[in-house]
Amino acid sequence: KAGVTQTPRYLIKTRGQQVTLSCSPISGHRSVSWYQQTPGQGLQFLFEYFSETQRNKGNFPGRFSGRQFSNSRSEMNVSTLELGDSALYLCASSKLRAERASTDTQYFGPGTRLTVL
Amino acid sequence: AQSVTQPDIHITVSEGASLELRCNYSYGATPYLFWYVQSPGQGLQLLLKYFSGDTLVQGIKGFEAEFKRSQSSFNLRKPSVHWSDAAEYFCAVGKGAQKLVFGQGTRLTINP
Repeated sequence: KAGVTQTPRYLIKTRGQQVTLSCSPISGHRSVSWYQQTPGQGLQFLFEYFSETQRNKGNFPGRFSGRQFSNSRSEMNVSTLELGDSALYLCASSKLRAERASTDTQYFGPGTRLTVL
Repeated sequence: AQSVTQPDIHITVSEGASLELRCNYSYGATPYLFWYVQSPGQGLQLLLKYFSGDTLVQGIKGFEAEFKRSQSSFNLRKPSVHWSDAAEYFCAVGKGAQKLVFGQGTRLTINP
């Protein structure tokens, strides 16, 4: 079974531009979460989508947005890029909703390395 | 608020030596606990997880972790490390698998 795939793997943008990152979950997985990883702040949760609906959101400004399609693929968009947005953006998928006690597990993709100049 | 502390930013051990990586968490309810490993330029790979039951959990690559509720700890151990274990290790806590809160990570270096 193929793992989580993310495209592109590397991206260079300039301040003020916008960027869209893509994530394809493991087949059969319906939940997709996004994380930002930086040396200073570590791994931080951005948001989670399930059945095309955002269920959870982390503490990031509105410039960060996402969506999920009917095939569970997800995109993340960052508008008006800032230097501090340079990071590794990780996508993770899991099979089930986890509102209740669950043994669900997240599986991570390789990430997209975004550099903002 | 949920939080995870990994007190050791960097650990160096010799190949063949034993390893213990520390993790302390703060969580209001019964936590779900995870250890992930990240090699340079790679995503996160799940090593093991604890949801309930036996407090000693076995994972992949010969790793194990012990959940100690009284100490709010979930330390990762391996009896004998291999050079290929050099990586960054992250402890995480959450209710269910979504919206995980991660520690800052511990970078492991292996001396030959």
